Amino acid sequence: AQKVTQAQTEISVVEKEDVTLDCVYETRDTTYYLFWYKQPPSGELVFLIRRNSFDEQNEISGRYSWNFQKSTSSFNFTITASQVVDSAVYFCALSQGVDYKLSFGAGTTVTVRA
Amino acid sequence: NAGVTQTPKFRVLKTGQSMTLLCAQDMNHEYMYWYRQDPGMGLRLIHYSVGEGTTAKGEVPDGYNVSRLKKQNFLLGLESAAPSQTSVYFCASSLQLGQGGELFFGEGSRLTVL
Repeated sequence: AQKVTQAQTEISVVEKEDVTLDCVYETRDTTYYLFWYKQPPSGELVFLIRRNSFDEQNEISGRYSWNFQKSTSSFNFTITASQVVDSAVYFCALSQGVDYKLSFGAGTTVTVRA
Repeated sequence: NAGVTQTPKFRVLKTGQSMTLLCAQDMNHEYMYWYRQDPGMGLRLIHYSVGEGTTAKGEVPDGYNVSRLKKQNFLLGLESAAPSQTSVYFCASSLQLGQGGELFFGEGSRLTVL
């Protein structure tokens, strides 16, 4: 069963537009962790952020911001004033259960056009 | 800084052939993982290890074997390759088992089975 759903398969924007990536997760655990990873065209996976289930504060890091809402089981990611270098596949992931293994969503491909 | 290194980066196999992917990390991490990435499916966990000499099954373990004889190395073996195993394989390591622990990924190994 898919624990992490990224409903948007692809998003295409023009540079300087904002883009929001949706992530919805499923869990029965009270303690869990959420992550976002970026995979640029070069292929490597780059860690962006982690959030534990007890911390619902939104976070901003430069042009990136994250909105964690337990009430809707969502952990959305916004890129403000997008740039061409933001073009990548973005993965949301959930860590839960006995071993806290990481489960990834299917990913959202973001294309930023100049 | 090497981080996580995977070899080989590319390989083409014929159905029924065997091969081993090697993952090496120099960060003294206890935990190591093998994922496969397929279009539209995100990353799926094949096997993982919580320490030297231990291995455990992930989400899609069938057709693969692993070994962790040394803390820094995690080997993924395909005894009899099948076309369904055509994929990009990622090795990762972490200091903590999932919870809150950032995964550090290798650059990926692209395997094609004809």
